[in-house]
Amino acid sequence: GAVVSQHPSWVICKSGTSVKIECRSLDFQATTMFWYRQFPKQSLMLMATSNEGSKATYEQGVEKDKFLINHASLTLSTLTVTSAHPEDSSFYICSARGELGGNGYTFGSGTRLTVV
Amino acid sequence: GENVEQHPSTLSVQEGDSAVIKCTYSDSASNYFPWYKQELGKGPQLIIDIRSNVGEKKDQRIAVTLNKTAKHFSLHITETQPEDSAVYFCAASIGIGDMRFGAGTRLTVKP
Repeated sequence: GAVVSQHPSWVICKSGTSVKIECRSLDFQATTMFWYRQFPKQSLMLMATSNEGSKATYEQGVEKDKFLINHASLTLSTLTVTSAHPEDSSFYICSARGELGGNGYTFGSGTRLTVV
Repeated sequence: GENVEQHPSTLSVQEGDSAVIKCTYSDSASNYFPWYKQELGKGPQLIIDIRSNVGEKKDQRIAVTLNKTAKHFSLHITETQPEDSAVYFCAASIGIGDMRFGAGTRLTVKP
């Protein structure tokens, strides 16, 4: 079945630095990828939707200059948290939808970001 | 847009009992309803899904029912086991449109 690989699984960084999270579809071409943020004991909050080769569409309230999304190929999307601050600490999850537009979303394993 | 509500937010059952989680959706055009299981520190995993042309689907101990008229669908887990403990999310989408998730249900199965 479809597999989405997300790296790193956890990262600790200092305030003011940037962190890049990668999301790869391993056995299918993902025309659309989604980035979510999840706070403890809460649901998935959609941050942005990215389509290969075009700019990401951000949800209301999400700072596009802070959360940079690149979807340069059909198998790779990256989320870069720029100038990270402690309040950016969270669990970030990506998901991908396949080339044929199948309904199912395949999720990555998530990245635990801690900013100190 | 689509709005998905999920109940209960927490559910505790004894091992061997059944668990039922219910979701309602607002857009009658929604036609795809997946359920995801998320274990601590991991991403959600699809466990079962149902399309609007089907009323019920079963996979071993897990079943999903859909009532299009009432716009609600439910997840049923029978003979629960401790390893079923996790957070479960329902979702709804219209074709290849964006998927909307419920708030999640934290299921605890007590041994």
